[in-house]
Amino acid sequence: GDSVTQMEGPVTLSEEAFLTINCTYTATGYPSLFWYVQYPGEGLQLLLKATKADDKGSNKGFEATYRKETTSFHLEKGSVQVSDSAVYFCALSDRDSSASKIIFGSGTRLSIRP
Amino acid sequence: DTGVSQDPRHKITKRGQNVTFRCDPISEHNRLYWYRQTLGQGPEFLTYFQNEAQLEKSRLLSNRFSAERPKGSFSTLEIQRTEQGDSAMYLCASSLSDRPNEKLFFGSGTQLSVL
Repeated sequence: GDSVTQMEGPVTLSEEAFLTINCTYTATGYPSLFWYVQYPGEGLQLLLKATKADDKGSNKGFEATYRKETTSFHLEKGSVQVSDSAVYFCALSDRDSSASKIIFGSGTRLSIRP
Repeated sequence: DTGVSQDPRHKITKRGQNVTFRCDPISEHNRLYWYRQTLGQGPEFLTYFQNEAQLEKSRLLSNRFSAERPKGSFSTLEIQRTEQGDSAMYLCASSLSDRPNEKLFFGSGTQLSVL
C-alpha cells in the first residue's frame, strides 16, 4: 500500500540555521503531498501541500517541491526560529481510497535553540 | 468556525472497561475521520464518515471498536473491553467533501490510558 518515510528525529538546530527534513513516498497513483505540523499542546494543522509533480507548496517561510522522479517532498526553510519548534509530519492522500484518507509518516521532532 | 472539538481530553480506564469518545466537527464539514496516534508515530487512519454513512474502516479497527455519526454531525468512538494496547491519542478530523485535495482540520485529541 501507499506509505511515507521521513527523516528520523529529533533534529536540533540553532536559530537562523537552514532546515531540511527529508520525506519520500511510495504510491501506486499520483497522490497529493502534504506537510502537517503539531506545535506543543496543539492539534495537527496543515503547513503546506502540493497536488502534482513539480508543484511547490509554501507557507510561513517553509517550502517543499513535489519531485515525482525521486518520489520526494523534502521540507526546507532558510532561517528557522525558536517558534518553529514542533513535530512535522509528511503525508500523502490515498487517491485509491474512497475516503481520500491521509497517510502520515512517523513525524520528525524539531527543536530550535535560541 | 469554532474548530473540531473532542471530549474528553484525557481518559484513564481499567483494562476490560468500555470507553466512549465524542467528536464535534466543524459545522459545515460533512466528512469526519478518526485516527489513532501512539507515541513517536504518525496518526493512523481508523475510519471515515461521509455525513452519517461510515464508508471505510481500517483493518486496525477490531470488532471491539465501533464508531457512529447518527445525524451526520457529531461522532462517537466506542472501545469495548479495553486492552493496554489501546492506549493512544485518538484524533478526530473533519473536511469538506466538495474540495479536491482538501485539508483535514484536526481536534486536539483524546488521550486514552488503559491501566
